[in-house]
Amino acid sequence: EDKVVQSPLSLVVHEGDTVTLNCSYEVTNFRSLLWYKQEKKAPTFLFMLTSSGIEKKSGRLSSILDKKELFSILNITATQTGDSAVYLCAVEGVGAQKLVFGQGTRLTINP
Amino acid sequence: SAVISQKPSRDICQRGTSLTIQCQVDSQVTMMFWYRQQPGQSLTLIATANQGSEATYESGFVIDKFPISRPNLTFSTLTVSNMSPEDSSIYLCSVAAAKGSGYTFGSGTRLTVV
Repeated sequence: EDKVVQSPLSLVVHEGDTVTLNCSYEVTNFRSLLWYKQEKKAPTFLFMLTSSGIEKKSGRLSSILDKKELFSILNITATQTGDSAVYLCAVEGVGAQKLVFGQGTRLTINP
Repeated sequence: SAVISQKPSRDICQRGTSLTIQCQVDSQVTMMFWYRQQPGQSLTLIATANQGSEATYESGFVIDKFPISRPNLTFSTLTVSNMSPEDSSIYLCSVAAAKGSGYTFGSGTRLTVV
């Protein structure tokens, strides 16, 4: 059964800090790993990773995938209070066309 | 990327009643997905809805409890039947986004059963 484990489950930092969120996975016939930000109800897409070692970057956020060790990290630099949210990691298997989500990391940025 | 309109945004329902959630997509899509997020938990797939065929349910979810309709390629409904407080959750629909952009989610329905 496909499985995704995120750590830490909760993180509280000060504005300006850099954070690293972790995601490890087990999936049959890996296709992609996705990161989402969830502030209220709807998750919003951040990154989709399919290849090892290639960093994806968007502003202060970046993510990388290690398919050998079966994990991914999401980095946020110079954090702002608007980064406070639950960050979700999900994996998709080939042919599955569905996402298996981790428990999420609740990130709180204090001013 | 597809845009999904989901309604209602929230509802408070009496136990034993049913609620139907609607999702309208601004483009034709083959598959639509319905997820549940219980309080403090992550998203769990309920079922996959294809137009013209019965929905495919994940383990632990049954058609009698969560009937799904998919009358055309832009619309789907999920009904939560005979509700109990344990059904209090956020319900989300989702479709595949543009290539390389994963999946897009509707705005979600926050259901509280009292």
